[in-house]
Amino acid sequence: GENVEQHPSTLSVQEGDSAVIKCTYSDSASNYFPWYKQELGKGPQLIIDIRSNVGEKKDQRIAVTLNKTAKHFSLHITETQPEDSAVYFCAASMGNQFYFGTGTSLTVIP
Amino acid sequence: SAVISQKPSRDICQRGTSLTIQCQVDSQVTMMFWYRQQPGQSLTLIATANQGSEATYESGFVIDKFPISRPNLTFSTLTVSNMSPEDSSIYLCSTPRTGLTSGSGYTFGSGTRLTVV
Repeated sequence: GENVEQHPSTLSVQEGDSAVIKCTYSDSASNYFPWYKQELGKGPQLIIDIRSNVGEKKDQRIAVTLNKTAKHFSLHITETQPEDSAVYFCAASMGNQFYFGTGTSLTVIP
Repeated sequence: SAVISQKPSRDICQRGTSLTIQCQVDSQVTMMFWYRQQPGQSLTLIATANQGSEATYESGFVIDKFPISRPNLTFSTLTVSNMSPEDSSIYLCSTPRTGLTSGSGYTFGSGTRLTVV
């Protein structure tokens, strides 16, 4: 089955700096890669996603890049704000089967 | 996208008892998924609940321990049976965001934080 690795497990940045979280996957058949943000006491919320036919996608301060050859994808958050502090999960999927990374706890220091 | 109401949000239970978690979706969805998130860990799929058929369980999870009901296209329950402290986790339900089709990401309920003492 698919194996998704996520790094780093924890990340602290100063407010205004950028944050990058990286994930690798093992199964080249995976074709959909969402990113979820989970705030304390809440369920994960989809923040951005990318399909295998696209190399990059942006949504305001958030961007995701995908390198299919290397089987890795990354989340980029620019101009970080304290409200970006949360746990972020990447996932790789084929159809209905999703495989989640182990999560990155991001802390934005004011 | 579909909106899920999950309850209870948290509970503290005695070992040996059972807890039923409910998820109500505001639209019809063909598939609902149940996940477990142990403290500090990622999400692990417990089972897929399809309306009109038995749930499909992932390796390591069995129906006797985690019975699931799916009486209609908007509702599902997960029961954690004969609980032990090792069952202390967050339990989450989810559906495909677009309701009837997959491949577009999941919408998650807010989770049930279960503590077994």
